[in-house]
Amino acid sequence: DGGITQSPKYLFRKEGQNVTLSCEQNLNHDAMYWYRQDPGQGLRLIYYSQIVNDFQKGDIAEGYSVSREKKESFPLTVTSAQKNPTAFYLCASMGIGGWPSYTFGSGTRLTVV
Amino acid sequence: AQKITQTQPGMFVQEKEAVTLDCTYDTSDPSYGLFWYKQPSSGEMIFLIYQGSYDQQNATEGRYSLNFQKARKSTNLVISASQLGDSAMYFCAMREGYGNNRLAFGKGNQVVVIP
Repeated sequence: DGGITQSPKYLFRKEGQNVTLSCEQNLNHDAMYWYRQDPGQGLRLIYYSQIVNDFQKGDIAEGYSVSREKKESFPLTVTSAQKNPTAFYLCASMGIGGWPSYTFGSGTRLTVV
Repeated sequence: AQKITQTQPGMFVQEKEAVTLDCTYDTSDPSYGLFWYKQPSSGEMIFLIYQGSYDQQNATEGRYSLNFQKARKSTNLVISASQLGDSAMYFCAMREGYGNNRLAFGKGNQVVVIP
């Protein structure tokens, strides 16, 4: 079945370390997104990409980096510059054209220890 | 400025009754889309229903329906015949225009269905 796979489900990071969250989709969607969710809050956009080898900053990009070398993959790196990285991270994709349908992954919960 | 506002506190609803969740939005773009998502405790975002700004009729999808009041910039989600599995956070989201396809989310409404 087509969908989005995020891994790992839980991730622990020591302060000062970079960590990379994986997001893979087999929906043949052009656009992919990374959102951050804090407890009791809505989703905030970190980065998005509408096409391979191109991406744009969202509302809270500081301390994060991404790449889009393949259509299927949009990994997110949480760098040591991100001062408060503990959060729930959701990846989404959308197919261009037609009725807008966003598909979300099941999320990665990142905790700084 | 916040584009999507969901201000209701957590809600308890009796099983089999209807619940209405409020959402107001702010945009100057005449073309936009409104989405509702359900997020159970497991964390995944489940798409429920969509309303386009040019749609003439209120959207319906099974037990979910929207009360779209364009002039008031309001879209309320109605869940009819609540079930225990409806207990979750519900998020309203908006996409403006057709350019970047970004979704802006509200802070969500917590719904707890009690037997």
